[in-house]
Amino acid sequence: AQSVTQPDIHITVSEGASLELRCNYSYGATPYLFWYVQSPGQGLQLLLKYFSGDTLVQGIKGFEAEFKRSQSSFNLRKPSVHWSDAAEYFCAVWTTSGTYKYIFGTGTRLKVLA
Amino acid sequence: NAGVTQTPKFQVLKTGQSMTLQCAQDMNHNSMYWYRQDPGMGLRLIYYSASEGTTDKGEVPNGYNVSRLNKREFSLRLESAAPSQTSVYFCASSEANRVGDYGYTFGSGTRLTVV
Repeated sequence: AQSVTQPDIHITVSEGASLELRCNYSYGATPYLFWYVQSPGQGLQLLLKYFSGDTLVQGIKGFEAEFKRSQSSFNLRKPSVHWSDAAEYFCAVWTTSGTYKYIFGTGTRLKVLA
Repeated sequence: NAGVTQTPKFQVLKTGQSMTLQCAQDMNHNSMYWYRQDPGMGLRLIYYSASEGTTDKGEVPNGYNVSRLNKREFSLRLESAAPSQTSVYFCASSEANRVGDYGYTFGSGTRLTVV
C-alpha cells in the first residue's frame, strides 16, 4: 500500500542552525513527491516538488530536498533556520493509482529557539 | 487575489445540528478536494471532485456529503454533527493532470467544534 512516513512529530532547532526533516514513502512506481508548509492558522503552501530529473530540488524560502530512490526518502533541508520557519511541515506523494490524489504524512512540527 | 476561499472560518455546532462548509476557487481548476486535519493524523481526504459533475469518496467519507455546484464551488455538508467531527477542514483545488507542475492550492481552513 502507498504510504508516507514522517518519523519526527516535533523538532526543535536554534535559529541559525541547520535543519533536516525526514520523509519516507512507499510507492510502487516513480513517485511525485512534495513538501508543504503550514503556518499557524493557515492553509498549506507548496514548498517544493520532485517528479523527475535532478534528485536535488530547490524550493521557496531557501529550502531544498533530495530524492533518494534507494532509501525511499525525500528529506527536506535548510542550511540556516530563521524564526519565521516555525511551522508544521507535511510530506506528500501524489498517486495516480485509482484516481488522482495525495497521500500526506502526519506532519512534523518545527519549533525555532531564538 | 486568486485562490481558494472557505467560509466560515470558525463554527461551533451542537451535536445533531447540520451545516454546510462552502468552498470556492477562481483559478478555473477542474479538481477540488475536502480534507480534515486532526492532531497526529495529518490530512485525510473526505471527498473529492475530479471534475464538474463528479464526486467520489475519499478515506473518511462517513457522516459527510458533498456537492459540486459548478466548476468554482464545492461544498461539504454535515447532516447530523457529532463530536468526532470536531476538526479543521481544508478545501483544495488543482488541475488534476498538472499536479506535478502546480500542486494543490489550499484554502485557509474552517475550524469546527461540535459540542
